[in-house]
Amino acid sequence: ELKVEQNPLFLSMQEGKNYTIYCNYSTTSDRLYWYRQDPGKSLESLFVLLSNGAVKQEGRLMASLDTKARLSTLHITAAVHDLSATYFCAVDITSGSRLTFGEGTQLTVNP
Amino acid sequence: GAVVSQHPSWVICKSGTSVKIECRSLDFQATTMFWYRQFPKQSLMLMATSNEGSKATYEQGVEKDKFLINHASLTLSTLTVTSAHPEDSSFYICSATSGPRYGYTFGSGTRLTVV
Repeated sequence: ELKVEQNPLFLSMQEGKNYTIYCNYSTTSDRLYWYRQDPGKSLESLFVLLSNGAVKQEGRLMASLDTKARLSTLHITAAVHDLSATYFCAVDITSGSRLTFGEGTQLTVNP
Repeated sequence: GAVVSQHPSWVICKSGTSVKIECRSLDFQATTMFWYRQFPKQSLMLMATSNEGSKATYEQGVEKDKFLINHASLTLSTLTVTSAHPEDSSFYICSATSGPRYGYTFGSGTRLTVV
């Protein structure tokens, strides 16, 4: 059974600081997804990482994938309040089959 | 980009009644649709997977007679919560894909409150 674990589950940080969210998964997969969820809303796709060593960046967020370590990271650079949300990573063993989600990381960026 | 429309956005119903939630892929053919449930402050839990024209595959612990899923066309899947009870109150989200080469597109979610 595929398990996906995120840490930390809760993250409170100051504006301007950097931090990393980690996502570990238990079974071989070469596709990993990062999503953002605002309160009361559905998921917004951030990144799709398709191969070992993949790195993608959008604004203050950068995601990477190490399939050998079964680890993905979401790095936040110079956080701003607008980044406050819950971030989920998700993995599918076979692309287009089903997604298994991590527990989510609730990020709060304080002024 | 791919768009999935989900309706209604929110619904309040009385205990014992049934509620239908629709999920439509607007600009692509969704060979597979997924239904998730999310309780407050928790992650998404997959309820069932449906392929067009086939019976849905339910996850362990999900009552198929209570959560009826129909995927009659390549653009529409419905989830009917039958004889709803307060414990069914949750946020329901659908997702769709058109195959292994494509990612997953999520609907906007439905907040169900059973009173």
